[in-house]
Amino acid sequence: EVQLVESGGGLVQPGGSLRLSCAASGFTFSSYEMNWVRQAPGKGLEWVSYISSSGSTIYYADSVKGRFTISRDNAKNSLYLQMNSLRAEDTAVYYCARTHSSGWYFDYWGQGTLVTVSS
Amino acid sequence: AIRITQSPSSLSASTGDRVTITCRASQGISSYLAWYQQKPGKAPKLLIYAASTLQSGVPSRFSGSGSGTDFTLTISCLQSEDFATYYCQQYYSYPMYTFGQGTKLEIK
Repeated sequence: EVQLVESGGGLVQPGGSLRLSCAASGFTFSSYEMNWVRQAPGKGLEWVSYISSSGSTIYYADSVKGRFTISRDNAKNSLYLQMNSLRAEDTAVYYCARTHSSGWYFDYWGQGTLVTVSS
Repeated sequence: AIRITQSPSSLSASTGDRVTITCRASQGISSYLAWYQQKPGKAPKLLIYAASTLQSGVPSRFSGSGSGTDFTLTISCLQSEDFATYYCQQYYSYPMYTFGQGTKLEIK
């Protein structure tokens, strides 16, 4: 069974940093592209970042470019999101999502982890 | 960037009704569109991909259509478990993605 479990969320002050993790199981993690998607309270979904299966190709949404860094450790079946210079508008539930192997949509999502940026 | 306009933002319906949700892309995206269902406090769940292909395990009362710029999600004969928020997603600009604003389907 495919499982994606996020962790690392919490309360952080504006300007602070946080590192999210997503532990993957039930599939060959190193073969799949992965993403982070966020959802502000009461709002819609916003794609944040993409990483290729090897980690060699990375993309970011303009809203986080230069502040967030996506990475992965295929040996540990884990995906990460390093978030720096956090702002109030980064407050959201952050989901990791797997890109389908032969399509480009997201076939599995984690349960999410809440990041709150507030003083 | 490709923009997706989803409508309506909310919809009231009764069990047994047929409902339709629409997404319009700011440019042609062929059939690179997916639909997701999200219930409160839960992660989104894939319903349809390639505009009209039902994900395995999704009930056949869900259907999708469209190509180019205009797409629809139809739920025939609403069941109680279908009341949720629905999002479309374009993946034509893979690996950069855009979601619609969401449609909250509520019980009338």
